Amino acid sequence: QKEVEQDPGPLSVPEGAIVSLNCTYSNSAFQYFMWYRQYSRKGPELLMYTYSSGNKEDGRFTAQVDKSSKYISLFIRDSQPSDSATYLCAMSESNYQLIWGAGTKLIIKP
Amino acid sequence: GAVVSQHPSRVICKSGTSVKIECRSLDFQATTMFWYRQFPKQSLMLMATSNEGSKATYEQGVEKDKFLINHASLTLSTLTVTSAHPEDSSFYICSASGLGQPQHFGDGTRLSIL
Repeated sequence: QKEVEQDPGPLSVPEGAIVSLNCTYSNSAFQYFMWYRQYSRKGPELLMYTYSSGNKEDGRFTAQVDKSSKYISLFIRDSQPSDSATYLCAMSESNYQLIWGAGTKLIIKP
Repeated sequence: GAVVSQHPSRVICKSGTSVKIECRSLDFQATTMFWYRQFPKQSLMLMATSNEGSKATYEQGVEKDKFLINHASLTLSTLTVTSAHPEDSSFYICSASGLGQPQHFGDGTRLSIL
């Protein structure tokens, strides 16, 4: 079993829909949780950075961390075609080396 | 803020050539820099971690004599792929983090060895 599980997709939704992306993990010591967006042939771009449990909102993006369930989510409201990318979750015990999910390929259809 | 610049973005060269990739943090001091390799449709694979002024720590299976890493200042790290061969062709990405901060990534270098 991998430390971090993430459905690779692809996930295809119509423009304007609410997107829900998720990761589960097995290591209860993880304290730092991140979501990165990666466009083809580019490096990952940090979207959300959360310490411990709770919610965090930034514009159309909301990140949720449920440590009791070992489950993290990223919600995208009013999805746009430009949101089409691969979304990678990453987490860490000490905010040092990251453990990565496989990445979910998201396709927003106009 | 938190901009990481990586150069070159694309390299095509002959087998046996050594290739140097630069990673710079433009607006913050990067106490730690990371080098990753990414194969098509796969997640990132950590190759090595370097702290400024110290020797890099390589992940298991990564040849330190093949992939030379230098982190001489708080804003610059370099990865040199020595005597590159076709199997070294890949997408190499660096990231940088300041103390207690998340990793920010460069745009990657696509290396093709003919």
